[in-house]
Formats: sequence, C-alpha cells, structure tokens
Amino acid sequence: GQQLNQSPQSMFIQEGEDVSMNCTSSSIFNTWLWYKQDPGEGPVLLIALYKAGELTSNGRLTAQFGITRKDSFLNISASIPSDVGIYFCAGQRNTDKLIFGTGTRLQVFP
Amino acid sequence: DAGITQSPRHKVTETGTPVTLRCHQTENHRYMYWYRQDPGHGLRLIHYSYGVKDTDKGEVSDGYSVSRSKTEDFLLTLESATSSQTSVYFCAISESRGKDQPQHFGDGTRLSIL
Repeated sequence: GQQLNQSPQSMFIQEGEDVSMNCTSSSIFNTWLWYKQDPGEGPVLLIALYKAGELTSNGRLTAQFGITRKDSFLNISASIPSDVGIYFCAGQRNTDKLIFGTGTRLQVFP
Repeated sequence: DAGITQSPRHKVTETGTPVTLRCHQTENHRYMYWYRQDPGHGLRLIHYSYGVKDTDKGEVSDGYSVSRSKTEDFLLTLESATSSQTSVYFCAISESRGKDQPQHFGDGTRLSIL
C-alpha cells in the first residue's frame, strides 16, 4: 500500500535544540496531520493542516502544508525531555483513507 | 482524552485460536477504524465502519473481520490467529471522513500470537 516518506527516521538531539522533520508524497493531499506517539500509548493529534501553504503553530510546534501539496514539515523549537517519542505524519485526499508515514523517532538528551 | 477504550490492552494466544478485540467510544462519532502498527510499516488500515452495520475493508483486511452492532462499539475478530498477526492494534474514531474531522486514537492492544 501507499506510504509517505518521512525523514529523518530518528534523531538524537540535546535539550534546547530545534528539531525539523518532513514528510513527502508522490500524490497530492488535501489534508496533512501530525501525530505524536509515546511508548505504550496511541498517537495523539498535534496539528492539522487543511490548506496549501498553511502554517500552524501549537505551542513550540509549528507545521506547514507544502505549496505543492505533496509535502509537510514539522518543527519543534527549544526541545525538552518530554518531546521524546515518535512523530507521525498522515495525509488524506478528500474523504479517502489516511496514509501514514513510518515515523520519526526523537530522543532528547539533557 | 478522546473517549476511546480498547480492550484487552494486552493478549497472548496461540496460533489457530479465535481472538476478538473491542473498541468502545463515548463520543458518538460515526466513523470507527481498526489499524495495525508494525515496525517499518507505520499504521495500516484493516477495516473501518461508517455507521451501525456499515463496514468496509482497508488495505490489510485479509484474515480479519469486524462488526458494529452499536454506535459505540467496534469489534475486530481474528477467526484463526496466525503469527503474522502479532502486532499492536489501534482503534480510531472521527465524526466524518471530510476535512476538519481528524481521527483520534485509542491506546492500543498489544497482541502476541505464539
């Protein structure tokens, strides 16, 4: 089945650093979603994007819906230990099913 | 919390036995979904429901069946479990499949088939 290319696969950073990750697709999407998953829990929605070029923030998190509609980016500023987890992007075309990326595993060291 | 309860949270069973996982929601959302999560594959859709008794297949539906007799409950059944079905299973809900209605997930069921 179709999957999104999410990169990097993993990141090891120091507390206080900024983080960038992205998701790309060969198909156009109308919706991009970013989720975070903590160990032993389900994915939690962080940011939802519905318009090409849209830039949306949620606290220290900022996500952008790419102009081509084939990519999306997530930035985390001034990382803290509780940012540790796996970040997933997901794309949706109209009312089709969600397509998920394979995740970016983030580790933050004090 | 999105008002989603999955049960059981953990299960170990043997190959060939039937297994049923339950998803219960308190949000009265129309759509419910079952996903499996495996390393290197992200989340993959097994089946989904768009109303009571209305279900459809996802991309990895072979070996699974579902039922929805009430709005709040969506059951996933493995008729004869195989080792390849060892995975973490997530239920999700949404009000609709349109824009502005993202899916929200339960905390998962870790299933091991020995």
